[in-house]
Amino acid sequence: DTAVSQTPKYLVTQMGNDKSIKCEQNLGHDTMYWYKQDSKKFLKIMFSYNNKELIINETVPNRFSPKSPDKAHLNLHINSLELGDSAVYFCASSQDSEAPETQYFGPGTRLLVL
Amino acid sequence: GQSLEQPSEVTAVEGAIVQINCTYQTSGFYGLSWYQQHDGGAPTFLSYNALDGLEETGRFSSFLSRSDSYGYLLLQELQMKDSASYFCAVRAISNYQLIWGAGTKLIIKP
Repeated sequence: DTAVSQTPKYLVTQMGNDKSIKCEQNLGHDTMYWYKQDSKKFLKIMFSYNNKELIINETVPNRFSPKSPDKAHLNLHINSLELGDSAVYFCASSQDSEAPETQYFGPGTRLLVL
Repeated sequence: GQSLEQPSEVTAVEGAIVQINCTYQTSGFYGLSWYQQHDGGAPTFLSYNALDGLEETGRFSSFLSRSDSYGYLLLQELQMKDSASYFCAVRAISNYQLIWGAGTKLIIKP
């Protein structure tokens, strides 16, 4: 009965490859997010998406593309992986209509690009 | 611009009290949240201040002063398991974007 789940938990791949990370939430939330956390622990929001709108952080390279087949899923596809993409990627969800707006995070996907 | 500032690291002794500050520069926001993240884990929600003042949840309290552009997280009766990184975060009213502090690593010594 995991609230926010991500797969895979670990991902090791070569430079130049294309990979996807999947995220699912069973909380019925209307908003989902992707975060990148680097080795210095800084949490950088990459995308947020709800039923109405995809909000893109303009500093994110267009090699990264979110895909949401439905409200409960927000996948992250990464093209032409680079060494600097190595990080932990967290998916999160929240219900914007509720206060306080609590974000529930998935366990993270540890990506290592060689 | 909009930003949140936290100390990068704080050290305290088991059983003591520690305060982690968060100062911000943003024109307006809905409320100040705090999250805890253990090494290797995911961030988890701790507390939220919509209004000025102190919110208490067990050993943890959080404070907000909008007039001073300042908030803090107070941890009492520190336990070794409180060793973690703590993040403050706000949602800006102007563009509804989330703004996160860089996190404070709390080191607890026996």
